[in-house]
Amino acid sequence: QSVLTQPPSVSGAPGQRVTISCTGSSSNIGAGYDVHWYQQIPRTAPKLLIYDNNNRPSGVPDRFSGSKSGTSASLAITGLQAEDEADYYCQSYDSSLSYVFGSGTKVTVL
Amino acid sequence: EVQLVESGGGLVQPGGSLRLSCAVSGFTFSNYNMNWVRQAPGKGLEWLSYISRTGTIYYADSVKGRFTISRDNAKNSLYLQMNSLRAEDTAVYYCARLSGGFDPWGQGTLVTVSS
Repeated sequence: QSVLTQPPSVSGAPGQRVTISCTGSSSNIGAGYDVHWYQQIPRTAPKLLIYDNNNRPSGVPDRFSGSKSGTSASLAITGLQAEDEADYYCQSYDSSLSYVFGSGTKVTVL
Repeated sequence: EVQLVESGGGLVQPGGSLRLSCAVSGFTFSNYNMNWVRQAPGKGLEWLSYISRTGTIYYADSVKGRFTISRDNAKNSLYLQMNSLRAEDTAVYYCARLSGGFDPWGQGTLVTVSS
C-alpha cells in the first residue's frame, strides 16, 4: 500500500484540463518536503515531469504544472493531448528516512 | 549525454542471490546521491534504497536486512546486492540519480524469482 494516495484513473477529451491529486500526511508532504511528478509510458522507464512542487525540467511542455498545499499536491495537464496518455506518479520524502511514491494514476485520453 | 545502464537481472530461485549493477556516464557520479527503485509487474513504483555521495544509506522496510546498496565512484557504478530473494521481489529494477527528483532513470533490468 502506497504512502501517497492518488486516484487510480482520470480521463479527458483532447484539449481538456485534467488534474491528479496526491495526498500524503504530516510526515511527508505536510512536513514540507518537496513533491515530484513522473510520467511513465507503458514499458518504458519513468521520466521526471515536475520537480520541487512546481518546476518543469527542460523539454517538458508548459501544459504540465504542479502545486502543493498542506498535506497534498496536484498535477494539472491543460490542453490534453493523445501523447499524454500514460501513468503518472507523485513522489516525496518521508521523515522515516525513506522516499515514497504515490499509487499511480492512469490518464486516458478519450 | 547523461546515461544510466542497469545490468545483472535474470531468473533466480527463491532464497537465491543476485547482484545488480548500474553503470553511469555523462556526469560526475561522485557528486550525486543515488537510488534503486523497482516496479513489480502491473504495479506501481517502490523505492528501495538510497546512498549518498558520502555513504549514508537508507533502505525500505521491505528489503532491509536482505538487500545491500553500494557504490564505486572510481568505476562510476552503483550496485544492489540482493539476498534471500522471494517471489514478491520479482520486478523491473531501476537505478536513478537524485537531482531535484529522481532524474534520470536507467532503462531497468528484470529480476524474476521463481522455481
